[in-house]
Amino acid sequence: DADVTQTPRNRITKTGKRIMLECSQTKGHDRMYWYRQDPGLGLQLIYYSFDVKDINKGEISDGYSVSRQAQAKFSLSLESAIPNQTALYFCATSHLDTQYFGPGTRLTVL
Amino acid sequence: GQNIDQPTEMTATEGAIVQINCTYQTSGFNGLFWYQQHAGEAPTFLSYNVLDGLEEKGRFSSFLSRSKGYSYLLLKELQMKDSASYLCVGGSYIPTFGRGTSLIVHP
Repeated sequence: DADVTQTPRNRITKTGKRIMLECSQTKGHDRMYWYRQDPGLGLQLIYYSFDVKDINKGEISDGYSVSRQAQAKFSLSLESAIPNQTALYFCATSHLDTQYFGPGTRLTVL
Repeated sequence: GQNIDQPTEMTATEGAIVQINCTYQTSGFNGLFWYQQHAGEAPTFLSYNVLDGLEEKGRFSSFLSRSKGYSYLLLKELQMKDSASYLCVGGSYIPTFGRGTSLIVHP
């Protein structure tokens, strides 16, 4: 079984809809991250969390929110999706600064 | 600043050697990472340098010079499956990602 899993793997939605992307990990890591990746651009940090009670905004948090339900679970929400949020989204955990990525969620907002 | 610069694209021939360079401008990194990312897939860890010098791991080697803000990834005996994007990443609890170098290996 994969150590970091993401659901769904693909999602097509319409402008204005609320969307939740979920991430679970079995690595036992405290640090978890959400990134988005657009073609030709590097990974951009949306939110990060160092434990259940710690949530921090990244460089592009506008339009997104997160919830750390447990050490193993970190979900990302788009309250009202817009087309420029179409991207590949990755969840990651970290241990000793090494990042471990989930398989990604490809989100398309029409 | 914490800029990380690496070439956008490189091409090489199967069986050859290629060196991907990375320069950075910060003293805040806890070392320098390289990740490999195939199209549409997640990045995966390749190497980590915390001290100056060369780290060798099979066909892949990575070099770091902290005083020069410089690193490179060396890939030997290139295979078609090495066609991917290679990310240079400044290590920290908040990592800094380069935009990646797209390597195309042709027969």
